[in-house]
Amino acid sequence: QSALTQPASVSGSPGQSITISCTGTSSDVGSYNLVSWYQQHPGKAPKLMIYEGSKRPSGVSNRFSGSKSGNTASLTISGLQAEDEADYYCCSYAGSSPLFGGGTKLTVL
Amino acid sequence: QVTLRESGPALVKPTQTLTLTCTFSGFSLSTSGMCVSWIRQPPGKALEWLARIDWDDDKYYSTSLKTRLTISKDTSKNQVVLTMTNMDPVDTATYYCARFTVTIDAFDIWGQGTMVTVSS
Repeated sequence: QSALTQPASVSGSPGQSITISCTGTSSDVGSYNLVSWYQQHPGKAPKLMIYEGSKRPSGVSNRFSGSKSGNTASLTISGLQAEDEADYYCCSYAGSSPLFGGGTKLTVL
Repeated sequence: QVTLRESGPALVKPTQTLTLTCTFSGFSLSTSGMCVSWIRQPPGKALEWLARIDWDDDKYYSTSLKTRLTISKDTSKNQVVLTMTNMDPVDTATYYCARFTVTIDAFDIWGQGTMVTVSS
């Protein structure tokens, strides 16, 4: 199984919106509505931001939203803030085991 | 409050066996739907899922690493142990344990991680 495909980097200015894509196949992202997204600041553990494609855990800002179309899932962050600068990873159930994306570095300009 | 903490050696030699322990609190691994996974991250690289153990003792392993991995739990001690045999320098990484909750199908709480270097 290959890792899910994410852009290596994205950037945006404070207040803007950005979208990070996560492309898989019909065997993983396309087959299950079980994509989760994780935020990781440097030197820190990942933090769950989105689960089951579009649901937010308690305490996560509603500026974070998730969606899916076909084999591609997306994470959108609106109203960008400096604290959003981090690495973001998608993860999808893929039959027998979860599959992570390669990660996307978000830079807030 | 749910917490997980990884412990184990910071340095192992090539060919040795790595044993990592995840000690958790705030939930029970005997509760239906609760699972603990191990995930690793080489320096500057992406996350890689390794293994998972469920409340009912079902176990799952990464296809590419399953011959080297063993996961087990001690419910009375609130601990999950991962062993990885035949360590190689490419296994150098930060190793995380994380709670996986079946009801949301996600890793909702993570430990701080423990860095393991494989070098002679």
